[in-house]
Amino acid sequence: DTGVSQDPRHKITKRGQNVTFRCDPISEHNRLYWYRQTLGQGPEFLTYFQNEAQLEKSRLLSDRFSAERPKGSFSTLEIQRTEQGDSAMYLCASSPPQETQYFGPGTRLLVL
Amino acid sequence: ILNVEQSPQSLHVQEGDSTNFTCSFPSSNFYALHWYRWETAKSPEALFVMTLNGDEKKKGRISATLNTKEGYSYLYIKGSQPEDSATYLCAPNLSGGYQKVTFGTGTKLQVIP
Repeated sequence: DTGVSQDPRHKITKRGQNVTFRCDPISEHNRLYWYRQTLGQGPEFLTYFQNEAQLEKSRLLSDRFSAERPKGSFSTLEIQRTEQGDSAMYLCASSPPQETQYFGPGTRLLVL
Repeated sequence: ILNVEQSPQSLHVQEGDSTNFTCSFPSSNFYALHWYRWETAKSPEALFVMTLNGDEKKKGRISATLNTKEGYSYLYIKGSQPEDSATYLCAPNLSGGYQKVTFGTGTKLQVIP
C-alpha cells in the first residue's frame, strides 16, 4: 500500500497522559499536514511541514501540542497532559508542492 | 474567520435518485477548491480540484462546478447508488496557494437501497 498511513488507528488514554501519533506520508511527497476533526465539524488545520521545516501552526495548536518531521519523511504529533477536549480524529495528509492533499485514515483519540 | 459552509448537513435519498450539494466560501484569496469523499473508517478520498471560475469536472456519475466570483461550488451525483453513501467535504485553499485547506462541515449522504 503506497498511501498515507497513520499509527495507531485508535487510542484511549486517561486525562493527563501524553500521547504520540505517527504519520507516514506518500514517499515522494515533500509536504505533510496535520488536521483535527471533532464531532459535527469538518477537519481543522493544525500544522504543516515542507520537508523537515514546520512552516505554519494554527492557533488551535496549544503549547501542549508539538509536531516534528525530523528527516523530512514521517511525522509525529505529540499531545502532552491530555484533556478531554483533545478527544478527536487526528488526520494526516501529504502532497507534492502545489497539488491536492492525500489523507491517511486518521487516529481516533479518546481521552477519559 | 474563514467560513466554509456546506448544505445540506445530511441527506437521505433513494437509490437511483440524483442529488446535489452546495459549498459556499469567501471569494477573497481563493486559489483552488477540492472536493473529498469520506467513507466511514476510510481515508478521505480526493474527488476533484478546481481552480478557474466556470470550471466543471466529472468523474463517472459525479460532477462539480465552480463559481469563484460568487464563492460557491456544486457537487452533483446522478443516479445515486448505496456505495455513494459517505460524507462529502469541500475544502478551498484560501491562502493564495496550495498550502492548508479550510474544510466545510460536510454533507452526509445516505443512499437507501
